[in-house]
Amino acid sequence: QVQLQESGPGLVKPSETLSLICTVSGYSISSGYYWGWIRQPPGKGLEWIGIIFHSGNTYCNPSLKSRVTISVDTSKNQFSLKLSSVTAADTAIYYCAKTGTGYNTNWGQGTLVTVSS
Amino acid sequence: DIQMTQSPSTLSASVGDRVTITCRASQSISSWLAWYQQKPGKAPKLLIYKASSLDSGVPSRFSGSGSGTEFTLTISSLQPDDFATYYCQQYNSYPYSFGQGTKLEIK
Repeated sequence: QVQLQESGPGLVKPSETLSLICTVSGYSISSGYYWGWIRQPPGKGLEWIGIIFHSGNTYCNPSLKSRVTISVDTSKNQFSLKLSSVTAADTAIYYCAKTGTGYNTNWGQGTLVTVSS
Repeated sequence: DIQMTQSPSTLSASVGDRVTITCRASQSISSWLAWYQQKPGKAPKLLIYKASSLDSGVPSRFSGSGSGTEFTLTISSLQPDDFATYYCQQYNSYPYSFGQGTKLEIK
């Protein structure tokens, strides 16, 4: 059974860079599929951030204005998210997910990241 | 970008009711639509993909239909465990996008 776990700082200062890692177990990222990031501001809906293929091909949501970088480390079976120049609007629960052919079949439990000084 | 609009935003129903949630896309997405269920404090759970295919282990009281721009999620007989928030998601084209959610409440 595939399991995903997000990790990273729970508090980030405004204008700094948010960095999260998703560790995958039960499946080798190198075997294929896309791997994605989704976020959810407290009490609000889901926002699709972007995805990465094991080869490193990525697509990120243009609404985040090039602040997003998604990368993969197949040797560690991890993929990561970096979001630069954060503001309070980036406060959210961040989820990583295994994305099959576009839909998210397995999700991490989510990690709350708060942007505050 | 494709906009996804769900209706209603909130739905009050009783155990045993048949309920339907609608999701509309701003342009055709063929059948590239998924439905998720989310309970408070939990990650979303995939229910349906490709508009009508039930994910493994999902009870058969859940069903999905539609194609093009209009889709529905139907729960044939509500169970206590079904009270949650439901989201649709299109994966026809980037950026993928979600509906705003439908909260299913106990009447």
